[in-house]
Amino acid sequence: AQKVTQAQTEISVVEKEDVTLDCVYETRDTTYYLFWYKQPPSGELVFLIRRNSFDEQNEISGRYSWNFQKSTSSFNFTITASQVVDSAVYFCALSGRPSGSARQLTFGSGTQLTVLP
Amino acid sequence: NAGVTQTPKFRVLKTGQSMTLLCAQDMNHEYMYWYRQDPGMGLRLIHYSVGEGTTAKGEVPDGYNVSRLKKQNFLLGLESAAPSQTSVYFCASSYGTSGSHEQYFGPGTRLTVT
Repeated sequence: AQKVTQAQTEISVVEKEDVTLDCVYETRDTTYYLFWYKQPPSGELVFLIRRNSFDEQNEISGRYSWNFQKSTSSFNFTITASQVVDSAVYFCALSGRPSGSARQLTFGSGTQLTVLP
Repeated sequence: NAGVTQTPKFRVLKTGQSMTLLCAQDMNHEYMYWYRQDPGMGLRLIHYSVGEGTTAKGEVPDGYNVSRLKKQNFLLGLESAAPSQTSVYFCASSYGTSGSHEQYFGPGTRLTVT
């Protein structure tokens, strides 16, 4: 079975603070993929990043950065200098083979980030 | 390109009624998915399709049926709605297997069963 845990249900920060969203995963696959999605108040899901299990390099995209550590089964997401527009629910997801057939995407329960002005 | 669209956006059903949710994508994607989102539980996969004419069960398939008669459309049916099916339903599509390709999501359908 595969599982994604986002222990932080809700986080509140003041604008311009840095914030890290935690994601811990479990899988028996040796090849797997990790994703982050953003769900703003409007409700749609927006793809942010995909990483495969063989690439542990950290990635930075503007104010966003991701830290992938296989040793701790974690794929954490940091927003630097947060802005009010970053307020959203953020989902971490894992793609593996829970049934041995086609890959399925397993989502964490999400972290509600609120950035206060 | 419209991406992934869902019809309807909102619906209220009475227990026992039936309905069909329509998902359409114009990206020529092979894979399509139906999820439900409930508070505190993230998204859970209901059914998915790896190509026209094929469907498979996901994590929570009971009470739902699906069909993929055309590559661009993926229908989700509720034959006899129950209050436990009150949820937000998302359709998604991807070019290839969900392992190596990101999924593109529709705007969601908010369904209430009374």
